[in-house]
Amino acid sequence: QKEVEQNSGPLSVPEGAIASLNCTYSDRGSQSFFWYRQYSGKSPELIMSIYSNGDKEDGRFTAQLNKASQYVSLLIRDSQPSDSATYLCAVRANDYKLSFGAGTTVTVRA
Amino acid sequence: EPEVTQTPSHQVTQMGQEVILRCVPISNHLYFYWYRQILGQKVEFLVSFYNNEISEKSEIFDDQFSVERPDGSNFTLKIRSTKLEDSAMYFCASMGSKNEQYFGPGTRLTVT
Repeated sequence: QKEVEQNSGPLSVPEGAIASLNCTYSDRGSQSFFWYRQYSGKSPELIMSIYSNGDKEDGRFTAQLNKASQYVSLLIRDSQPSDSATYLCAVRANDYKLSFGAGTTVTVRA
Repeated sequence: EPEVTQTPSHQVTQMGQEVILRCVPISNHLYFYWYRQILGQKVEFLVSFYNNEISEKSEIFDDQFSVERPDGSNFTLKIRSTKLEDSAMYFCASMGSKNEQYFGPGTRLTVT
């Protein structure tokens, strides 16, 4: 059973602050890691992918991967009210299907 | 920017009826997927499709479900005899050479 665990939140941060989201996974064979953003009633939107240990930055988003600890995180810098959403961690092993966490709901307070 | 499209956006059906959900994946993508999300729950994998055949399916994807790529653009999910517990958002996704899956807007299926 491939498990992906996330803190459900909600995570409330003031505008301009850093939001830090965490995800752990159980399958050591996992190869690829993704963060999706999902607004209420909408579909998951891909915001970051990461495949190697270390950090990957894209604009205000930084993904961090530590395969030894089976841990992946997402930092959102300079958080904006438009970042208020549920963030889904998704993991892929040697097959091609994604296993999703339950998501962390982020609220950015203006 | 290319995107995955899905129709209809909302489908209401009676228990026991057949429904077909339609998807147009991104044109140069070769891998296609269906996922579902029951209200308030995780996104769950249903089935993956590659080279005109199912490459993997979950326990949820039983004999009541089928997928088809009837032509070069459409990808469909059929539920033969809907149950109340099939009520969910159904998302189609496609994946290209970058190994990233892009989701369509979803079809909300309500079974009454």
